[in-house]
Amino acid sequence: GESVGLHLPTLSVQEGDNSIINCAYSNSASDYFIWYKQESGKGPQFIIDIRSNMDKRQGQRVTVLLNKTVKHLSLQIAATQPGDSAVYFCAELNQAGTALIFGKGTTLSVSS
Amino acid sequence: SQTIHQWPATLVQPVGSPLSLECTVEGTSNPNLYWYRQAAGRGLQLLFYSVGIGQISSEVPQNLSASRPQDRQFILSSKKLLLSDSGFYLCAWSVTGGRSNQPQHFGDGTRLSIL
Repeated sequence: GESVGLHLPTLSVQEGDNSIINCAYSNSASDYFIWYKQESGKGPQFIIDIRSNMDKRQGQRVTVLLNKTVKHLSLQIAATQPGDSAVYFCAELNQAGTALIFGKGTTLSVSS
Repeated sequence: SQTIHQWPATLVQPVGSPLSLECTVEGTSNPNLYWYRQAAGRGLQLLFYSVGIGQISSEVPQNLSASRPQDRQFILSSKKLLLSDSGFYLCAWSVTGGRSNQPQHFGDGTRLSIL
């Protein structure tokens, strides 16, 4: 079946450190993945996406890595800031290609 | 630019009462529209999606229904709410396309509490 999960429910880092949030997916045929950031009381905010024909994609302070061999996705945040504190979700496109399947989320806490 | 609006932001309803949550999108035409529910501390579960006016697909059997009376309007309804309907309801849109290899953009949700 389809499922998306994250390795750790929480991650605590110091301001200025690099953060790595991991995600495993089960559908080897998935060809589209997204990372979202959700702050308390708000809807998820799009961060970055990646298609299966890529291994890496970079944005502003964020990098997404896709390892299709082990069905693993990660989000790297450089120079983490207190404003990065939030819940981060990975999502994959479902088999029908109609909607996204979300994992349970990792809570990132950044201390000064 | 595109924007998405959901209302109300919070809602407290008694068991057995009806429900109507509204979502509208501006700045785009013929978007794909979605309703999700998020239980406390958990990920998002897709409830309904729509690729056009009057076209609704349901992902899970439940006490809720959805309608799309206009291109950029998506409504989530129930005739009789259950306690288990409590949660955070999120509407989202994406660019139209057969295979939705496009990011979905979310509203700020409605916090629904059933008493």
